[in-house]
Amino acid sequence: SQQGEEDPQALSIQEGENATMNCSYKTSINNLQWYRQNSGRGLVHLILIRSNEREKHSGRLRVTLDTSKKSSSLLITASRAADTASYFCATLLSGNTPLVFGKGTRLSVIA
Amino acid sequence: DAMVIQNPRYQVTQFGKPVTLSCSQTLNHNVMYWYQQKSSQAPKLLFHYYDKDFNNEADTPDNFQSRRPNTSFCFLDIRSPGLGDAAMYLCATSSELDYEQYFGPGTRLTVT
Repeated sequence: SQQGEEDPQALSIQEGENATMNCSYKTSINNLQWYRQNSGRGLVHLILIRSNEREKHSGRLRVTLDTSKKSSSLLITASRAADTASYFCATLLSGNTPLVFGKGTRLSVIA
Repeated sequence: DAMVIQNPRYQVTQFGKPVTLSCSQTLNHNVMYWYQQKSSQAPKLLFHYYDKDFNNEADTPDNFQSRRPNTSFCFLDIRSPGLGDAAMYLCATSSELDYEQYFGPGTRLTVT
């Protein structure tokens, strides 16, 4: 069954604005990862946040994790047209089980 | 430099004709994964290898099989492709199961 669910399914913003995407999950996790996928291409890993971490930054990306609410958010600041892509959260459950991907958020950044 | 390579990028096969997709990696990672992704959907894990240990997802059809002859290479065999198997097939690697995954560019399979 689907573990991670992203919200919104689609997001359209102007260049320079911030974009926030949310992910909710159902069971306890080992870590949560965010990936980006450009149309027709493979996925690119963005950030991994472990269950004992609350926030991580990487360049213009900020990821938060709230294990009490079983949710995570990905913030992209000062968005660029090149950020246009689908963004997936993926959860790794406790124990050696593979990642489970959510359905993704399609982000469009309009120049 | 490409770290996870998939060949071919585009594959057209006929209904019922066996097809093999290939993946190679230069990262020397322990784990290799095969995903199926249909349009506007999440990648769906088919199976993964931890070293030589094969792990099949419960809902992966028997029509799909995999081989990993060595650390660097992994193959996806579709024995009798149906129209519903048309999709993007993604290969990924990771050093351990709980680490980030590195994806190849994918092979888009068309079944005619």
